[in-house]
Order: sequence, then C-alpha cells, then structure tokens
Amino acid sequence: DQQVKQNSPSLSVQEGRISILNCDYTNSMFDYFLWYKKYPAEGPTFLISISSIKDKNEDGRFTVFLNKSAKHLSLHIVPSQPGDSAVYFCAASVGRGSSNTGKLIFGQGTTLQVKP
Amino acid sequence: DGGITQSPKYLFRKEGQNVTLSCEQNLNHDAMYWYRQDPGQGLRLIYYSQIVNDFQKGDIAEGYSVSREKKESFPLTVTSAQKNPTAFYLCASSIAPLPYSNQPQHFGDGTRLSIL
Repeated sequence: DQQVKQNSPSLSVQEGRISILNCDYTNSMFDYFLWYKKYPAEGPTFLISISSIKDKNEDGRFTVFLNKSAKHLSLHIVPSQPGDSAVYFCAASVGRGSSNTGKLIFGQGTTLQVKP
Repeated sequence: DGGITQSPKYLFRKEGQNVTLSCEQNLNHDAMYWYRQDPGQGLRLIYYSQIVNDFQKGDIAEGYSVSREKKESFPLTVTSAQKNPTAFYLCASSIAPLPYSNQPQHFGDGTRLSIL
C-alpha cells in the first residue's frame, strides 16, 4: 500500500522556467511533509518542509504548497537551473501525539531534468 | 564538519555471508535510521533507533539486524536470511523526535551492496 505517491517518474523543464513536482498521500494522519533532492550515488539532501498547520512554505527559489483536503502537495522551483537536475522525493510523517517516532514514508521519486 | 559517514561506499558479498554496513554521525543526533532504496522506488525503512540501546523494526526489517551501543554509531548487518540484499543502503539521523515536534532527517551518502 503506497501511502505517498509521486505519479510522474520524470519531468523536463527549460532553464529559467518553473518546475512543479507533485505528490499525493492517502494517510490523513500525516502532518509533516518534506522534500528531498538526490543526485546519483549520493544521499538525499533535505530541501524544504511544511507542517499541516500551514498551506505554503517558501525558501528562496523553492516553495512547497499543501492542500490537505486533496491530500496533495507540490514543490515549485522558480527559476529552474541546470543544477536542479536530480531526483526529488517527497516524504511524510505522523508527528502529532506522544508516539512521534520521526518515521518518514517516501514517495517513489521524480527525476527532474532542467535543460539549458 | 558535522555529518554522517557511511562506509564502505561499495560492498560485495558472497551468497550465504553476513555483512555489516557502518554508519557514524557527529551531529549529536539522538535518532538514527536505516533505509533501503531499490531502482525506481522510494526509500523504505529497515530499522530505526531513537536512543542508545534501543531500536525498532521498520517496514522491511526481515533479514537485517542492528545495534545501537553508542550515540554516534548505528551499524546495520545484512544477514544471509535477506533474500534480495542487492540495493543502495542509506543511513540517516535527526534530532530526537518529540511529541508534536518535527525534525528533518539528514542522510549519509549511502553504501551500494552487491551479491557476487
């Protein structure tokens, strides 16, 4: 049962344009969401996160939007740069309550290619 | 520099052998995690530990074992019982997850294990 889904395996965008990566989840208990970026043969690097009490979080060129009613989040990268070419993973966890374990559930990843 | 070190980067195992993957962190993080990544899939949690001398099974713990004798170290043993051990293994750590508090996990660069 895939609780976090990234339905687009790949995305190609022209340099300078906006990249939009999407992620859907099924577990309504998730209340903390993260985006990671991963280059080949390296570990994922944390990019940005959002708590379920917010619907938007911005950090430089990266903005994450959360739509709780649709159980959907997206990562916007503006403007896209060739160095952004990587695999992007969304992840979710259940943080509320006394049994917060910090466990993350990851999507399958979306490969972003930014063309010069 | 603070970080997470995984060694070795590449590891080969013969059929029927146990092998241990190293993970060391100097971030003073309480929580540590082991994930497995297979091609085209997201990261799946093998084991996690929130405190020294304690650890919990993740979603795919069968065929693996861990220990947490020191705060900075969380080695993973892939036993001969793991039927499909070839994968990319990632170790992560975070500040201890607290009730209603969320912290991102930070990853090492991974170990690629292959069966000879």
